[in-house]
Amino acid sequence: GQQLNQSPQSMFIQEGEDVSMNCTSSSIFNTWLWYKQDPGEGPVLLIALYKAGELTSNGRLTAQFGITRKDSFLNISASIPSDVGIYFCAGLNTNAGKSTFGDGTTLTVKP
Amino acid sequence: DAGITQSPRHKVTETGTPVTLRCHQTENHRYMYWYRQDPGHGLRLIHYSYGVKDTDKGEVSDGYSVSRSKTEDFLLTLESATSSQTSVYFCAISEPLMRQGMVNEQFFGPGTRLTVL
Repeated sequence: GQQLNQSPQSMFIQEGEDVSMNCTSSSIFNTWLWYKQDPGEGPVLLIALYKAGELTSNGRLTAQFGITRKDSFLNISASIPSDVGIYFCAGLNTNAGKSTFGDGTTLTVKP
Repeated sequence: DAGITQSPRHKVTETGTPVTLRCHQTENHRYMYWYRQDPGHGLRLIHYSYGVKDTDKGEVSDGYSVSRSKTEDFLLTLESATSSQTSVYFCAISEPLMRQGMVNEQFFGPGTRLTVL
């Protein structure tokens, strides 16, 4: 089946620093999604990407859909303590289908 | 927030016993999913449903069964629980969007923490 490799697995950063994480796949996806999971809760959608090369922002978050359609990147600028959590990438190939999730990047922000 | 509840929220059971987890939605979404989340494995799909009485297997379906007799309820059953099924289980819902450029966003429930001793 399709697999997503998400890196890094974990990050420990100082408040105010920028963060970058990425997701790569062995196969093509038509849509890339980025979710965040706060401790003790379910994941919540942050950003959706629909076209190869697309760059989309949501506040301090910016995500890009790789031109090969096999990867995606998420950047967080000027991190704050509430950015702590697990970030998941997900890929899917139809508007009605199920997503394939990466293993997540756990972010810790030190004040 | 999407109206998704999971019950129970926490359960401790013994190896060999059957366990049923319930997901209930008030959004009338057609699709429902069960995932398990384990350290180092992210979210893995167990089973999903495209509609009432229409279900299919995900990538880790062995030892699990599901049922969907009503749009709003999706039940996950562990026929004979094993310690390897100790995990956090998440239910999710979505509605198919057939317009190009629209995302099939999944809304997740709060999770059920299951411990099998």
